[in-house]
Amino acid sequence: DIVMTQAPLSVSVTPGESASISCRSSKSLLHSNGITYVYWYLQKPGKSPQLLIYRMSNLASGVPDRFSGSGSETDFTLKISRVEAEDVGIYYCGQLLENPWTFGGGTKLELK
Amino acid sequence: EVQLVETGGGLVQPGKSLKLTCATSGFTFSTAWMHWVRQSPEKRLEWIARIKDKSNNYATDYVESVKGRFTISRDDSKSSVYLQMNSLKEEDTATYYCTTYYGYYWGQGVMVTVSS
Repeated sequence: DIVMTQAPLSVSVTPGESASISCRSSKSLLHSNGITYVYWYLQKPGKSPQLLIYRMSNLASGVPDRFSGSGSETDFTLKISRVEAEDVGIYYCGQLLENPWTFGGGTKLELK
Repeated sequence: EVQLVETGGGLVQPGKSLKLTCATSGFTFSTAWMHWVRQSPEKRLEWIARIKDKSNNYATDYVESVKGRFTISRDDSKSSVYLQMNSLKEEDTATYYCTTYYGYYWGQGVMVTVSS
């Protein structure tokens, strides 16, 4: 199975500042069709996970453009610029290239 | 509006069975590939099963830890997907979510607690 490793475990951010979360996969997530199958999700307190970024760098519908995704075949970054109170929660990266889908352990974002 | 609503969770003893239902609306269920993902009390996410659509012969796949114990199925006439869980273990304790479209849509989740 593909292992997804996230860092840091937690991050504390002053509102208005930016935050970055890293994710590394144990195998290339670049498919032969040219798509990189890494996804980012945010789970707000008491809620279900919600999709933020799909296929490494595409913003899901309704997600503020303060969120952005980037990376290579095995190293990925989620950047949140101008962090707001509504961004608090646990962020997960996930690989949806092959079954079983696997997820990082999560990064908890808190406000200072 | 897309909705996925899971039901059927609860407290069950080890070795017993439980069946979860995910009732959906607001999208074309018959062509959607449906998945079950669970979240442990420690908040780890684990994909556990997928079922494809009719054109793909309703093919199923499972994570190794549930193979032979869990069965995913669907009823396109009811826009619902199911998870039959047998021989439950304490480590199956989790919140179970159904999801589709690469995790674009999720249900609210249902808790399953396996304990004696």
